[in-house]
Formats: sequence, structure tokens, C-alpha cells
Amino acid sequence: SQQGEEDPQALSIQEGENATMNCSYKTSINNLQWYRQNSGRGLVHLILIRSNEREKHSGRLRVTLDTSKKSSSLLITASRAADTASYFCATDSIQGAQKLVFGQGTRLTINP
Amino acid sequence: DSGVTQTPKHLITATGQRVTLRCSPRSGDLSVYWYQQSLDQGLQFLIQYYNGEERAKGNILERFSAQQFPDLHSELNLSSLELGDSALYFCASTRADRGNTIYFGEGSWLTVV
Repeated sequence: SQQGEEDPQALSIQEGENATMNCSYKTSINNLQWYRQNSGRGLVHLILIRSNEREKHSGRLRVTLDTSKKSSSLLITASRAADTASYFCATDSIQGAQKLVFGQGTRLTINP
Repeated sequence: DSGVTQTPKHLITATGQRVTLRCSPRSGDLSVYWYQQSLDQGLQFLIQYYNGEERAKGNILERFSAQQFPDLHSELNLSSLELGDSALYFCASTRADRGNTIYFGEGSWLTVV
């Protein structure tokens, strides 16, 4: 079963605009990781946020985590055409061995 | 480049056949994961090994098996292949058992015809 659920499933914006993707999950977690995947390619790790962190930045990326709502958001500022990809959140549950559970992803399209 | 190497990149085989996918983790990473990505099922966790031992099992079919060798590379064996096994198979690695970033390889595209 999917732990993370991304919202929206697809997002299309103009270059230069900001893109926000949301992720909800069901169980308590150790950390949450965001990945990017270009079509048919590997998963590129973007950022890891631990359960005791509320916000993290990396370049044009900003990730928030609200453990009380079991949700996270990924903000990409000043989007570029090269940001076009699918974005996945993945959670590491506190129970059992570490195994990232992925959502279905958000397909982001940046229009020039 | 994540540092995780997977071979082969593409593979086409017939139903009923057996294939082996190979993964070399990042240098120093003890933990290896296998995932399957298909259009209808999304990214599914198959199995994890840590320093040669099986650590966690996910939605892995009985026709599939994996192992991690003393040099820490891993192989995923898929047998009695069916059309529905066509997918992108990812290997991923991380330094420790949990709590760290997990890095993914480029994947092995398997097409069963």
C-alpha cells in the first residue's frame, strides 16, 4: 500500500513561477525524502527532512514537514524548464526496518 | 551520478525465461534496496539487504530472489518471467541501516515479450 500520497497528480505552470507539491502519509515516520525522476530515468535525491525538523532549504527548494498533520510540501521557486519531471515523496516509517515507501508522484510540467 | 551502478540498462526477454539484474552500491554503503516501478503499481519496495543479510521484504514475488555478496554488490534474480514483470527495476543504497539518504541507480529496463 502507498504511504505517501502526492497532490496534485499533475501540475503545469509557466517558467519563473513557483511550484508547490504536497505529500500526505499515514504512519509515524523517521524522515521523509523527496526525489525527482525525469521520464524513464533514475530517481534523483533532492532533500531529506527528519521528523524533528519543520523546514529545510536547498537552493531553490524548500521543504516543510508537519508531523501533526502527517504532511509535507515541496516548493520549487523560480521554476525552469529543466525542472520538468515527476516528483515523489518517500517516507521511512519508525516501525520495522528502513524501507522508503513512495507515493504515486506529481508530474510537473514547466512551460517556457 | 548517484554512484549506484546497475546493469544491464535494458533487457528484452521472453516469457518463462530467467534474468539477473546486478547492482553495485555506492562506495562504503552497506545497505542495498531493490524497487520495481511499473505504470500501474508505481514504485514498489521489493527487498533490502544490509551487509549481506536480508533485512526487510516487501512485495517480492516468490519467483524473484535476491542476494548481497561479500563485496556488497547485489543481484536480483527474476525467473519464470511473465508479461506483467515488465518494469523498471531500481537498486538503491545507503550507508547505514536507516536514517540516511537513499541513493538510486538509473535502473534496469526489463521488457518481457
